[in-house]
Amino acid sequence: QSVLTQPPSVSAAPGQKVTISCSGSSSNIGSKYVSWYQQLPGTAPKLLIYEDSKRPSGIPDRLSGSKSGTSASLGITGLQTGDEADYFCGTWDTSLRAFVFGTGTKVTVL
Amino acid sequence: QLHLQESGPGLVKPSETLSLTCTVSGGSISSISHYWAWIRQPPGRGVEWIGSVYYNGDTYYKPSLKDKVSISVDTSRDQFYLKVISVSAPDTAVYYCARFRAFSDYSDMWGQGILVTVSS
Repeated sequence: QSVLTQPPSVSAAPGQKVTISCSGSSSNIGSKYVSWYQQLPGTAPKLLIYEDSKRPSGIPDRLSGSKSGTSASLGITGLQTGDEADYFCGTWDTSLRAFVFGTGTKVTVL
Repeated sequence: QLHLQESGPGLVKPSETLSLTCTVSGGSISSISHYWAWIRQPPGRGVEWIGSVYYNGDTYYKPSLKDKVSISVDTSRDQFYLKVISVSAPDTAVYYCARFRAFSDYSDMWGQGILVTVSS
């Protein structure tokens, strides 16, 4: 029963683009920074995007983050087989006084 | 290079207490720019933030878990800890420790995780 809702899965062919949405509320996405994480099978999550749209060193620019109101999105262009993974959004919730993760989205490369 | 390592038992009996340690190396836990968190992931499911601790001992917990968990820190050892009381099967998960950037609230470093199974 996460407060951040993501689609369970998205898919596209190699080279195409996918967009993953993360829907929240005014007490979380609407007022705090959003971060995005990638989790490959059997490994710990890895930071992809922080402060809504910034990429850490080493993350390619074919990954992008954006936010509008109480929703955020992660875009992946030039899809590769290595992008097959689970993706989570996360942010602080001022009402819960806790960090919250999204429900997670599995990306499949067709 | 900062490194986080979880340690503790991989098997805990129902109704007992789960205790885990996260050791921070390659950097100091006494950073005013960061706080330290525990996150868990039941098999085949999403990640769940359990709670966090600042170097001065200030803590935050997921509301639904606050009566069941406690997190503490020992800056002299560069370690922080998780205790989960009265465990049951739903507490079976991979437990991760992680570093979060204060004010911006994102995690830039995770441990490898430790699988804890609750079973008799």
